[in-house]
Amino acid sequence: AQKVTQAQTEISVVEKEDVTLDCVYETRDTTYYLFWYKQPPSGELVFLIRRNSFDEQNEISGRYSWNFQKSTSSFNFTITASQVVDSAVYFCALSEDMYNNNDMRFGAGTRLTVKP
Amino acid sequence: DGGITQSPKYLFRKEGQNVTLSCEQNLNHDAMYWYRQDPGQGLRLIYYSQIVNDFQKGDIAEGYSVSREKKESFPLTVTSAQKNPTAFYLCASSIDDREGEKLFFGSGTQLSVL
Repeated sequence: AQKVTQAQTEISVVEKEDVTLDCVYETRDTTYYLFWYKQPPSGELVFLIRRNSFDEQNEISGRYSWNFQKSTSSFNFTITASQVVDSAVYFCALSEDMYNNNDMRFGAGTRLTVKP
Repeated sequence: DGGITQSPKYLFRKEGQNVTLSCEQNLNHDAMYWYRQDPGQGLRLIYYSQIVNDFQKGDIAEGYSVSREKKESFPLTVTSAQKNPTAFYLCASSIDDREGEKLFFGSGTQLSVL
């Protein structure tokens, strides 16, 4: 069965620090998708990124970057120069069913607090 | 603006009572989902629907029921059979249910037991 582990329950940093959120996954499939979602205090999860298993290129989007390493089954998320607005719970998720999307498995989430 | 609307934001249930959580989307998405979120845990799938008039059980469907009579609407009923209903409930949708489609979420309903 697929599994997603976010070992960091809570992280607290001071504004402008860099922070990395870890995500380790388990799957027997060779084809799968990995996601990161952000859940701000308002409650709704917001999509950040999707990566399929055949694309190991790292991605950068502004202050956000993602490091996908199949060799270590990790899909880590780094925020550079963190800001107070980055405070949220961040979820990593894995989907491996090639026919549908209803098998998405979420990690337990990492609560990030950025202090001014 | 397109999106998903969940109501109410807060809901209280008495013993033996059924309550219904509303979820409406104007994104023209085919697939809709209900997730349950407990503190310190990831989201768990309750029910999903790939198309109107069809829905399937997720991992924790016991004590819940749904309907999908319209494409835009996917209400969730928490029945009295659900013995531990206190949680944050999130409704989501995707364009379709193919693998890898990103999910769009509503802002959730916090259900508590009186």
